Amino acid sequence: AQSVTQPDIHITVSEGASLELRCNYSYGATPYLFWYVQSPGQGLQLLLKYFSGDTLVQGIKGFEAEFKRSQSSFNLRKPSVHWSDAAEYFCAVNRDDKIIFGKGTRLHILP
Amino acid sequence: DGGITQSPKYLFRKEGQNVTLSCEQNLNHDAMYWYRQDPGQGLRLIYYSQIVNDFQKGDIAEGYSVSREKKESFPLTVTSAQKNPTAFYLCASGRTGAHEQYFGPGTRLTVT
Repeated sequence: AQSVTQPDIHITVSEGASLELRCNYSYGATPYLFWYVQSPGQGLQLLLKYFSGDTLVQGIKGFEAEFKRSQSSFNLRKPSVHWSDAAEYFCAVNRDDKIIFGKGTRLHILP
Repeated sequence: DGGITQSPKYLFRKEGQNVTLSCEQNLNHDAMYWYRQDPGQGLRLIYYSQIVNDFQKGDIAEGYSVSREKKESFPLTVTSAQKNPTAFYLCASGRTGAHEQYFGPGTRLTVT
């Protein structure tokens, strides 16, 4: 069965530092991959998506992600985090119009 | 503005009562989805509908029911058969053939 793994439940970084959130998936074919962000008590917002083509994708809010087929990974990065980036981040994969979500990584920002 | 609305934001019910959560979208999307979110569990699919008057069970459909009488609306009923109904419920929609989904703001249901 396909799945999405986010190995880090919590990550803490200092404001202005770089960020990388990890995501691994298990899926036979090239997947459709997403990163979503959720602020407390809110819905999910789509940060970026990968369907095909260039393996480095740019998203909103200064985020980017890189698809690495050999590692079955789709890690999210940001060069310099802001206090407003504190939220929960979900990696997800789509198959047959259904999305499977990882369990999320909660990002904490130190001032 | 186009978007997905869910109402109410907070809902409180007594155990044994059925409750219906509203989800409306004006994005002209064919597909709509209901998810349940519990702390540390990610999102789990309850029901989805890809066309009016048709819907399919997701991974955790037991104790829930839905209808899709209009393209814009996809209400979810949490029945008294649902053993642990307290959770955050998220509705989403998407275009058929597209792969991403767009989410509403959620409804937090508390059953005591």
